[in-house]
Amino acid sequence: GENVEQHPSTLSVQEGDSAVIKCTYSDSASNYFPWYKQELGKGPQLIIDIRSNVGEKKDQRIAVTLNKTAKHFSLHITETQPEDSAVYFCAANDFGNEKLTFGTGTRLTIIP
Amino acid sequence: EPEVTQTPSHQVTQMGQEVILRCVPISNHLYFYWYRQILGQKVEFLVSFYNNEISEKSEIFDDQFSVERPDGSNFTLKIRSTKLEDSAMYFCASSADGEGNQPQHFGDGTRLSIL
Repeated sequence: GENVEQHPSTLSVQEGDSAVIKCTYSDSASNYFPWYKQELGKGPQLIIDIRSNVGEKKDQRIAVTLNKTAKHFSLHITETQPEDSAVYFCAANDFGNEKLTFGTGTRLTIIP
Repeated sequence: EPEVTQTPSHQVTQMGQEVILRCVPISNHLYFYWYRQILGQKVEFLVSFYNNEISEKSEIFDDQFSVERPDGSNFTLKIRSTKLEDSAMYFCASSADGEGNQPQHFGDGTRLSIL
């Protein structure tokens, strides 16, 4: 089955700076890679996703890049704000079924 | 915006007792999921459900677990005889389509505490 590694586990960034979180996956057949933001006491909230036929996708301050050859994908948050503080999870699907395999999470803290 | 709703938000149960966690998926969604998250750990897949049957399950989802869609709106997870290690956050999710074709949307979870 799929295995997803995520780094770093914690990340502190000055407000206004950029944050980058990286994930690698093991199954080259995986074709869907979502990113979720989890705030305290809440469920994972989808913030952006990318499919394997695309190398990059951007939505305002958030972007995701995918390198299929290297089997890694990254989340980029620019102009960080205090409300970006949360735990971020990457995930990958198991090709041919609905299961999502999650990374171990990154606790992002934005320092005012 | 439509959302997945879960009840209760917190469930405390004695070890060995049965517990039922309830979810109302987004109304036009066809695929339903349960995941769990042990405190401080990553989210783990339990089971997916489509067309009134289980389509995929993990090794965690043993004979103590079952899922049901008793009516047109609810989706439930039952744990027959709870164990201490079942203590976790349980998240329900739904999607309009499967196999990564449509995103999975999560509820805010039920915190299950086994005493």
